[in-house]
Amino acid sequence: DGGITQSPKYLFRKEGQNVTLSCEQNLNHDAMYWYRQDPGQGLRLIYYSQIVNDFQKGDIAEGYSVSREKKESFPLTVTSAQKNPTAFYLCASSRLAGQTKSYEQYFGPGTRLTVT
Amino acid sequence: ELKVEQNPLFLSMQEGKNYTIYCNYSTTSDRLYWYRQDPGKSLESLFVLLSNGAVKQEGRLMASLDTKARLSTLHITAAVHDLSATYFCAILDLVNRDDKIIFGKGTRLHILP
Repeated sequence: DGGITQSPKYLFRKEGQNVTLSCEQNLNHDAMYWYRQDPGQGLRLIYYSQIVNDFQKGDIAEGYSVSREKKESFPLTVTSAQKNPTAFYLCASSRLAGQTKSYEQYFGPGTRLTVT
Repeated sequence: ELKVEQNPLFLSMQEGKNYTIYCNYSTTSDRLYWYRQDPGKSLESLFVLLSNGAVKQEGRLMASLDTKARLSTLHITAAVHDLSATYFCAILDLVNRDDKIIFGKGTRLHILP
């Protein structure tokens, strides 16, 4: 089955520690995205990547870092510089908009990060 | 600034009633999306609307798009409790050509039995 996987589902960390969230897709999509969602709020874009070894900052990139060494994988590191990291993190992937008229993003199940 | 505005942001309604969620957007786009999110879950794609006048229906949900008015609607017919969720609309950003999707804040729908 093709899809997007995120791990772990729940993650607990102490303040001051870096933590890496995993996102893997086997849909052969070129583009991948990381979003943050706070309770009762919409989605905010953290980082996105349209091609291997390249990525761009989204609206709230401060305190986060990413890598895109493989097409299938787009891990997100939440660093100790992120002042309020507790949130629900969603990864998405898509083909490039120019490749398909019905371009849409497919979402993984999410990782709920709690930092205390 | 690119904006996607949903109205209302919260809706409580009785089972069996009809209602409409509105989605206005501030820039030209030829792709509009509706997603559903259940509490604690990820987003599930409901509809992709690609052209002016497009209408799509799935069960009790029907979505439409008016690109000239920059307006999409999600109509709920004879609501049932299972439709309780948060609904997001989103558009493809054509201005910056970077494949970004701009999301609205979501409409939290609560259907009372």
